[in-house]
Amino acid sequence: DVKVTQSSRYLVKRTGEKVFLECVQDMDHENMFWYRQDPGLGLRLIYFSYDVKMKEKGDIPEGYSVSREKKERFSLILESASTNQTSMYLCASSLGGPPKTQYFGPGTRLLVL
Amino acid sequence: DQQVKQNSPSLSVQEGRISILNCDYTNSMFDYFLWYKKYPAEGPTFLISISSIKDKNEDGRFTVFLNKSAKHLSLHIVPSQPGDSAVYFCAASASGTASKLTFGTGTRLQVTL
Repeated sequence: DVKVTQSSRYLVKRTGEKVFLECVQDMDHENMFWYRQDPGLGLRLIYFSYDVKMKEKGDIPEGYSVSREKKERFSLILESASTNQTSMYLCASSLGGPPKTQYFGPGTRLLVL
Repeated sequence: DQQVKQNSPSLSVQEGRISILNCDYTNSMFDYFLWYKKYPAEGPTFLISISSIKDKNEDGRFTVFLNKSAKHLSLHIVPSQPGDSAVYFCAASASGTASKLTFGTGTRLQVTL
């Protein structure tokens, strides 16, 4: 079974703080993804990575950065948290080739005050 | 520009009846489609997928139908069970997009007793 874990289930941060969200997968997947989920907007892709040290912007990268130093680990960084970044953050991983099924972690609910 | 649309935000179905969840897409380059199920405070779990070379894929109580000419897919759940109550997301992928998925906004299914 694919296992994707996220470092925290719930986080409360202050505006302006630097926030790190960590994701680890144990299936040797090449691709890793960060999404945010907001009511009525579905899942929106923030960043993804198809190899170590490689990253690509998704649909809403503003205000975020990522780091992938090891194949199994993909970090999302909020350089200076803002209230509009309050959301559910979901990490996923997938194989480099077909099928394109992505496997998700349990999510981190972030509240920025 | 919403390339994957789920026009029904919610659906209520009686236990034992059929649930039909719909999804429309606009990008003719999409060639692989997936359905995910999401419970509150959990990450999405993969349910079923279909390639564009097929028009139907079945897995137990779940069947996905693809109508390429109409750019429409649907998920049928028969018979519906209370444990099926969740938010369902459809997602689509195009060849050569590094396994990126584009998600719809989700449909909340409630199965009543």
